[in-house]
Amino acid sequence: EAQVTQNPRYLITVTGKKLTVTCSQNMNHEYMSWYRQDPGLGLRQIYYSMNVEVTDKGDVPEGYKVSRKEKRNFPLILESPSPNQTSLYFCASRPPSSGANVLTFGAGSRLTVL
Amino acid sequence: AQSVTQLDSHVSVSEGTPVLLRCNYSSSYSPSLFWYVQHPNKGLQLLLKYTSAATLVKGINGFEAEFKKSETSFHLTKPSAHMSDAAEYFCVVSSMNTGFQKLVFGTGTRLLVSP
Repeated sequence: EAQVTQNPRYLITVTGKKLTVTCSQNMNHEYMSWYRQDPGLGLRQIYYSMNVEVTDKGDVPEGYKVSRKEKRNFPLILESPSPNQTSLYFCASRPPSSGANVLTFGAGSRLTVL
Repeated sequence: AQSVTQLDSHVSVSEGTPVLLRCNYSSSYSPSLFWYVQHPNKGLQLLLKYTSAATLVKGINGFEAEFKKSETSFHLTKPSAHMSDAAEYFCVVSSMNTGFQKLVFGTGTRLLVSP
């Protein structure tokens, strides 16, 4: 089944403790992206990647890192999490950019930073 | 720059009545527009998309949307609501000026369907 898999789905952590949210897709998509969803703000793009070793900032990149060493994986790294990073995170992927291409989303990762 | 405004944060309808979720966009270039749906505790799923072909776009589950350039709108409609339509809906825009790399999401409209 074609899908985007995120782990963990739920995580409670403490301020400053480094964590990684993994994202893996099995559709051979070049483009991958991370979003955070907050009430009343919709989804905001954190980082995206057009292909292996190519990443770029989205609208809210502060406090996050990403890497794209393999096509299928696009982990989101919080080096020193803070409470304002408490949010619902979505990873998504799609084929090379064009207006017609559609994102496939993971099921989401709910992160709480105490 | 591109932006999306969803005009209602909540819409309440009765089962069997029409649904209208409003979306206005701003884009310097010809946009691609999408509606996604998010059911509780689920990821987002594409309902429909507009990419400069027919202005009336039909999607899944009986939803459709009409692209109106003169009004910069892309409202989502359904003739008859079903209980299973209760969810949050997002209008999304992307355009060629960003190489379609950046998608801008609206803040969402929560649809409530009562029996």
